[in-house]
Amino acid sequence: EIVLTQSPGTLSLSPGERATLSCRASQNINSIYLAWYQQKAGQAPRLLIYGASSRATGIPDRFSGSGSGTDFTLTISRLEPEDCAVYYCQQYGSSPRVTFGPGTKVDIK
Amino acid sequence: QVQLQESGPGLVKPSETLSLTCTVSGGSVNTGSYYWSWIRQPPGEGLEWIGFIYYSGSTKYNPSLKSRVTISVDTTKNQFSLNLTSVTAADTAMYYCAKGSMTTDAFDIWGQGTMVTVSS
Repeated sequence: EIVLTQSPGTLSLSPGERATLSCRASQNINSIYLAWYQQKAGQAPRLLIYGASSRATGIPDRFSGSGSGTDFTLTISRLEPEDCAVYYCQQYGSSPRVTFGPGTKVDIK
Repeated sequence: QVQLQESGPGLVKPSETLSLTCTVSGGSVNTGSYYWSWIRQPPGEGLEWIGFIYYSGSTKYNPSLKSRVTISVDTTKNQFSLNLTSVTAADTAMYYCAKGSMTTDAFDIWGQGTMVTVSS
């Protein structure tokens, strides 16, 4: 079973700063099967990144994804107040077919 | 643009069956490149994948829930459904339906979610 670990648990930054979120898998995964989601308080998750580095429709270019193997990163280049949310990574493919990481909470100071 | 809407009881008694429906609008559940999923989130916790169904009726379930879960699709109503048997308080959660795409291998459309509480 593939387990996803995310770090840090919470990130507190100021507007305009760069946020770097990590997702580590317990086994190698094909990068085409790694996605990132944003979940704001009281809302459903929203797809940000698929295939480790492709932005979903309508996602601003300040969001970018990278990585391969077991280590993946979501970067928010210039934080804006509306980026306050919990961010989840997710893998598709290995049993169980879908797993999510525990999330990283991003607070805007 | 595809939209999803969950519906079903907000309160279920322990040991009973939780039944939810997701109505798909702006698209068809019969689309071959999509799969239709249920994902849940206990209060204050993270996301847990329950399972999904392809338009063909083929299903995949989370092994931790497999013995209690059935996901089905009704093409005549453009809906898909979740049945979770023998529920306990641990099944209390926000339940989301979501559309997966074989193009992205990710869940690109989500419903707003429906809260289900298991309590007597």
